[in-house]
Amino acid sequence: AQSVTQLDSQVPVFEEAPVELRCNYSSSVSVYLFWYVQYPNQGLQLLLKYLSGSTLVKGINGFDAEFNKSQTSFHLRKPSVHISDTAEYFCAVTYTDKLIFGTGTRLQVFP
Amino acid sequence: DVKVTQSSRYLVKRTGEKVFLECVQDMDHENMFWYRQDPGLGLRLIYFSYDVKMKEKGDIPEGYSVSREKKERFSLILESASTNQTSMYLCASSPTGPADTQYFGPGTRLTVL
Repeated sequence: AQSVTQLDSQVPVFEEAPVELRCNYSSSVSVYLFWYVQYPNQGLQLLLKYLSGSTLVKGINGFDAEFNKSQTSFHLRKPSVHISDTAEYFCAVTYTDKLIFGTGTRLQVFP
Repeated sequence: DVKVTQSSRYLVKRTGEKVFLECVQDMDHENMFWYRQDPGLGLRLIYFSYDVKMKEKGDIPEGYSVSREKKERFSLILESASTNQTSMYLCASSPTGPADTQYFGPGTRLTVL
């Protein structure tokens, strides 16, 4: 079965610093990969997704992610974070006809 | 803009009560999903539906059932609520296959006393 690991449950960072949120998945077969964000008291919304093609995927709000097949990773990055990026971030991977979510990483941006 | 609405943001029920959580989407999506979200566990799939009157079990279906009588509406039913079903419940919809973006509602925080 597919699994998704988000190693960091919390990432504190100062405003304007770069950030990387890590995601690893278990499958050796072709998969689709997603990052979703959940702002306080809201549902999830899509940040970006990898389906095929270029391994660097650009998303909304200045985020991007690099698909690394050999390391089965899909880490999310932003070169300079804002206070408004404070949220919970979920990595997800397809498994048959379902999405499997990681346990989430809470990004806390401090002024 | 896709809109997924859930009937309540907050709900408090007593143990043993029958609970209905309603979800409506306005984009004619084929697929609808129910998840529960718990701290440290992420999102776990309870049930999903590919079409009207069709349903599939997710990873944690025990204690839940669902109903999809119309394409836009997907209901989650707790036949006899228990305290371990206290959680955040999220509904989502997507156009067709697993590569499609899922669109989420704002969630219902259910407390069972």
